Amino acid sequence: EADIYQTPRYLVIGTGKKITLECSQTMGHDKMYWYQQDPGMELHLIHYSYGVNSTEKGDLSSESTVSRIRTEHFPLTLESARPSHTSQYLCASAPQGWAYEQYFGPGTRLTVT
Amino acid sequence: AQTVTQSQPEMSVQEAETVTLSCTYDTSESDYYLFWYKQPPSRQMILVIRQEAYKQQNATENRFSVNFQKAAKSFSLKISDSQLGDAAMYFCAYSGGGADGLTFGKGTHLIIQP
Repeated sequence: EADIYQTPRYLVIGTGKKITLECSQTMGHDKMYWYQQDPGMELHLIHYSYGVNSTEKGDLSSESTVSRIRTEHFPLTLESARPSHTSQYLCASAPQGWAYEQYFGPGTRLTVT
Repeated sequence: AQTVTQSQPEMSVQEAETVTLSCTYDTSESDYYLFWYKQPPSRQMILVIRQEAYKQQNATENRFSVNFQKAAKSFSLKISDSQLGDAAMYFCAYSGGGADGLTFGKGTHLIIQP
């Protein structure tokens, strides 16, 4: 399995709380991604990064924000969690260039009550 | 925008038999990559196989092979000698040159009957 890690794996939190989902990779990949996987299992790109200090919004509009201060770290933050944010969040990384496959983390399953 | 369609929400196959999962896509680009990913229950998504659009030869990886029909924009996955460990969600994904991230289909849930 790839060296990409996500914490926590499971999180149940109340409405209005601020949360940060952690993602780290040890492969030295420049590109990192966040996908949201809905209960029907469909995946949508919500954020990506080309490298340090680069962040871009993906295809699916999201109230979350991301930062990329270090190559290996790409955290996702929700300032005020809502029940509509309940989902699985998958982090992925890839080397530079669009021809390479992405390596996925194990995911964080978030439930907002 | 590119779209990826997997028309089989669920497939079932007997152990040791062969199964084919369908995928079609829509793009105006001439150069792109296609992937099949496997997501076992509660486990990480892993790459099964990939295909470069400029290559006419179909990709193969052990028991996994694809049937890539560029003109028809079709990219099916064939799993031979199905094993219990093949049970998972399978996602077809597209990567184009001008965009970033992967565009995924909705997935096919593969069940292996012992």
